Amino acid sequence: AQKVTQAQTEISVVEKEDVTLDCVYETRDTTYYLFWYKQPPSGELVFLIRRNSFDEQNEISGRYSWNFQKSTSSFNFTITASQVVDSAVYFCALSEAYLLNDYKLSFGAGTTVTVRA
Amino acid sequence: DTEVTQTPKHLVMGMTNKKSLKCEQHMGHRAMYWYKQKAKKPPELMFVYSYEKLSINESVPSRFSPECPNSSLLNLHLHALQPEDSALYLCASSPRDQSYGYTFGSGTRLTVV
Repeated sequence: AQKVTQAQTEISVVEKEDVTLDCVYETRDTTYYLFWYKQPPSGELVFLIRRNSFDEQNEISGRYSWNFQKSTSSFNFTITASQVVDSAVYFCALSEAYLLNDYKLSFGAGTTVTVRA
Repeated sequence: DTEVTQTPKHLVMGMTNKKSLKCEQHMGHRAMYWYKQKAKKPPELMFVYSYEKLSINESVPSRFSPECPNSSLLNLHLHALQPEDSALYLCASSPRDQSYGYTFGSGTRLTVV
C-alpha cells in the first residue's frame, strides 16, 4: 500500500513564483519522521528538511517553508521566489520503525518541478 | 566526514559478468541501506543492514547479494543481471535513532547489456 502520496506529477512555474508541493502520508506509528529530498538531473538525493511526528511547528528556512498537519496527515513544502536552479524532482518520504529503534525510509512518487526563466 | 561515498559512479556490465558496488561512510552510522531507482520513479528499498546484520531484504532476486564487512562499508555483489536491472543504485546511511536522518551517496548508474 502506498504510504506516501504526492498527487502532483509535474509543476511548471515562471521564475520568482512560489511553488507548493503536496504530500499526504499514511502510518499507524506514533513516532515517525517526514522528509523532503531534492533530486536534480545529476541524480544525487539532496536532503532539504526533516520533521518528527511530535513537532508540528511550521518553520521557514531561507526560501523553504513547510506545513505539517497531523490531523490531515499532510506535510506540504513551499519554495518561495523560485529560481531556475530549483528545477528538480522533489520527493516526500516517511521514515517508520520496522523494529524497535530500526527505521526504513519510503518515498512518494515524486513531483517534477520546472522553473522557467 | 559527512558523506556517503559510492564507487563506481558508472558501470556497464554484461549479463554474464560479476561486479560489485561499494559504499562507504565514516559518520558512525549503524544502519546502511541499498535503494534501486529506475528512471522517473522513486527510490525503492532493497536491503537494510543494522549493526552489520541484514535486517530487511525486500524480496530482492538472488542475483543481487549484499554484504556488510564492517560498520563503515556496504557492498552489493551483482551476478547474472538482466537488462531490466539497469538503474541508479543508491546507498544511504543513518544513525539508528534517526536524529540526523538519512545521508545518501551520489549513486552508481548501472547499465546491463
